[in-house]
Amino acid sequence: DGGITQSPKYLFRKEGQNVTLSCEQNLNHDAMYWYRQDPGQGLRLIYYSQIVNDFQKGDIAEGYSVSREKKESFPLTVTSAQKNPTAFYLCASSVGTGYNEQFFGPGTRLTVL
Amino acid sequence: DQQVKQNSPSLSVQEGRISILNCDYTNSMFDYFLWYKKYPAEGPTFLISISSIKDKNEDGRFTVFLNKSAKHLSLHIVPSQPGDSAVYFCAASVGINDMRFGAGTRLTVKP
Repeated sequence: DGGITQSPKYLFRKEGQNVTLSCEQNLNHDAMYWYRQDPGQGLRLIYYSQIVNDFQKGDIAEGYSVSREKKESFPLTVTSAQKNPTAFYLCASSVGTGYNEQFFGPGTRLTVL
Repeated sequence: DQQVKQNSPSLSVQEGRISILNCDYTNSMFDYFLWYKKYPAEGPTFLISISSIKDKNEDGRFTVFLNKSAKHLSLHIVPSQPGDSAVYFCAASVGINDMRFGAGTRLTVKP
């Protein structure tokens, strides 16, 4: 089955700890994205990557970091510098050229205690 | 600055009737519009899209209308079914990497 996997589904961390969220896709998509969803708000773009070894900041990149060493993988690290890390995080991918819809993973709900 | 707005947080309709979900945008540069559907604890799934050169796109029970002069987008679902109950997100983009999402509208279809 082709798709996007995110793990884990639920994640709990203590304040001050860095945490890395996994995102893997086997759709052979070039572009990958990380979004954050908070209650009553739309999805907000954290980072995106159009190609391996390249990524760009989105609207709310502060306190986050990413890497894109492989086409299939785009992990997101939530650092201790992120002031309000508790949220629902969604990873997505798209073909990357032209106007194509993004395919989303199931999401990871991060709770920082 | 919310460039895509869905002003109705929720909508309730009877099974078999029409559901109309609305979306307004402020950026006249947006040239591609999409609707996504999201069930609880799942990622959004693509539903239907429309480019700015069209004013209507239809796919089965789902039709998206675009009114560029009013900067308004709507999704019509006819007939509505209980399985359509979900949160619907409107999204708009300029190119492929600048997609903006609305806050979502929770649709409940009552049997």
